Amino acid sequence: AQTVTQSQPEMSVQEAETVTLSCTYDTSESDYYLFWYKQPPSRQMILVIRQEAYKQQNATENRFSVNFQKAAKSFSLKISDSQLGDAAMYFCALGEYGNKLVFGAGTILRVKS
Amino acid sequence: EAGVVQSPRYKIIEKKQPVAFWCNPISGHNTLYWYRQNLGQGPELLIRYENEEAVDDSQLPKDRFSAERLKGVDSTLKIQPAELGDSAVYLCASSSWDGYSGANVLTFGAGSRLTVL
Repeated sequence: AQTVTQSQPEMSVQEAETVTLSCTYDTSESDYYLFWYKQPPSRQMILVIRQEAYKQQNATENRFSVNFQKAAKSFSLKISDSQLGDAAMYFCALGEYGNKLVFGAGTILRVKS
Repeated sequence: EAGVVQSPRYKIIEKKQPVAFWCNPISGHNTLYWYRQNLGQGPELLIRYENEEAVDDSQLPKDRFSAERLKGVDSTLKIQPAELGDSAVYLCASSSWDGYSGANVLTFGAGSRLTVL
């Protein structure tokens, strides 16, 4: 069965600083993909970044990057130059081909000015 | 391009009353999902459709929940009768297959927040 664990219920970061959100997962599949989604308060969930398991290179989207450690089943999100608009709940998600997306419990990110 | 549209955004009902949520996916997206998100938690899948066929409804409480996706486009999720524990945000998402990466990328609607009193 697929499981996703986010061990940090809440994180804080100073504006312009860097923060890393942790995620570990478990799957019996060798091919799968991983996502980070952002959910601002009372607003819809939006995709931040995705990583295909067969790719060794870590995905990067502007200020967002991941550290994908396949053997350790770890998938952390690094946010550089944090902005006030980054404050949200962040969800790590695991998807297997042709199957549903399974989400972690989420990490609340607070950005201090 | 219009995103995933859901209605109503908010609904307050008394327990034992029925309620229905509607979702219109992104045009061309064959896969549609209904997720339930309890306060402070991650979304959990209720049902997944491929076109008009429900291919995964193992987590749908079938004694009170029902869903349909007629003609393989928009979808309705119904709860009858509602219980206090059904208070949650009901999220609809749709996806298309990324032929390049093989990934199923989900786009979510804004959600329908249900409060059962």
